[in-house]
Parts: sequence; C-alpha cells; structure tokens
Amino acid sequence: KNEVEQSPQNLTAQEGEFITINCSYSVGISALHWLQQHPGGGIVSLFMLSSGKKKHGRLIATINIQEKHSSLHITASHPRDSAVYICAVWGGADGLTFGKGTHLIIQP
Amino acid sequence: GAGVSQSPRYKVAKRGQDVALRCDPISGHVSLFWYQQALGQGPEFLTYFQNEAQLDKSGLPSDRFFAERPEGSVSTLKIQRTQQEDSAVYLCASSSGTSGTDTQYFGPGTRLTVL
Repeated sequence: KNEVEQSPQNLTAQEGEFITINCSYSVGISALHWLQQHPGGGIVSLFMLSSGKKKHGRLIATINIQEKHSSLHITASHPRDSAVYICAVWGGADGLTFGKGTHLIIQP
Repeated sequence: GAGVSQSPRYKVAKRGQDVALRCDPISGHVSLFWYQQALGQGPEFLTYFQNEAQLDKSGLPSDRFFAERPEGSVSTLKIQRTQQEDSAVYLCASSSGTSGTDTQYFGPGTRLTVL
C-alpha cells in the first residue's frame, strides 16, 4: 500500500505570501491529484498530474516521478485560499490513497 | 445534474441500525468511487465501480459494508448493524474516465453519526 506524506501539516501565512505544500509517496503511481477542502465543504479537484507541471490561475503543481514527490504552490496568497489541501495518488489498485492534508490559513 | 449529489446530507443512527447512503453521479460518468473520511483525517478509499461493475472493494472495512450500482448510475452504500467506529463522512466521487487517472468530482458527503 502506498504511503502518502504531506508537509507541513499546518501552515499559517500572511496575505500575499508564496505558499508551498509538499507531498511524497512510497510506491510508483499512475497519477497524483491535488484536492482542496473548505471547512464543512466538499472536496474540489485542483489538479491531476502524471508528469511535469500544471498551472491554473495562482496555483501551480509540479511532480517529480523519479523522486516520488509533488509540490503545490500558491502565489499571491489570499484569505480565501484558506482550506485543507490534500494530495492523493493512484497506483492502479486499492483506489486513491490520500495524505492527511495540509491545513492552510492565510491571514489578512 | 450539475454535480454529484448525495443524500441524506446528515444521518444519525443508533448502534445496530442499518443505514443506506445514496450517491447520484454526474450524468454519463462511467466511474464512481466511495470514500470514508473520519474526523480530522484524509479520506480513505472504500470501493469503485465502472458502470455497474464493482471493480475494487478492497477498502470496505468489513462485511457489514455493501455497495451497489445496479444500472450504472445511482449508487447506494449500505452499512449493516452500524457501530460507533462507522461514524464518519462518506464521500462519493465520479469521473468520466475509466480509472483514477481522470479528474474526480466529489459530492458534498453524508455525515454519519452512530450513537
């Protein structure tokens, strides 16, 4: 079973700061997902990556397959970015394996 | 519909009761996934359907858990003889593709509390 580790577990930053959330996994995968979950809210898919880099607005996600590592970056962070960010991997069996999430708070 | 819907949104059950949780995926989506999210934890995979076929049920925690998708659309997750450790949010997701390499669209979840 894949082990998915995220860091940091909790992150508080000031509005405007550049944010990085890291995800590492133990076994080779077919795809990695970054998800966002607001308190009391549902989960929204941000990115699905199998290689390289993707960008959507102020969000950037990268993956290094050889190093089994992915990062999610938020540029010019804003209080509305406050949420739990979850990394999940798909290896083809046992469904998606999720990390425990990173609790991000952006203070005005 | 516009997105994945789940019902009920909240369910309180007494220990030992049976419960049924419903998921309506996005119309036309082939794949449907069920996840369990305990308080303060990340979701955990329960089971996965491709159309009406249940391709993977390795995550179901016990034989008290049963899922079906008889016509390849709506799915029901049934928990028999509920226990307190079953208290969690049950999430459903669907995707247009046939594997976990496609974007999954999540429903709002059903929060189950077992007293």
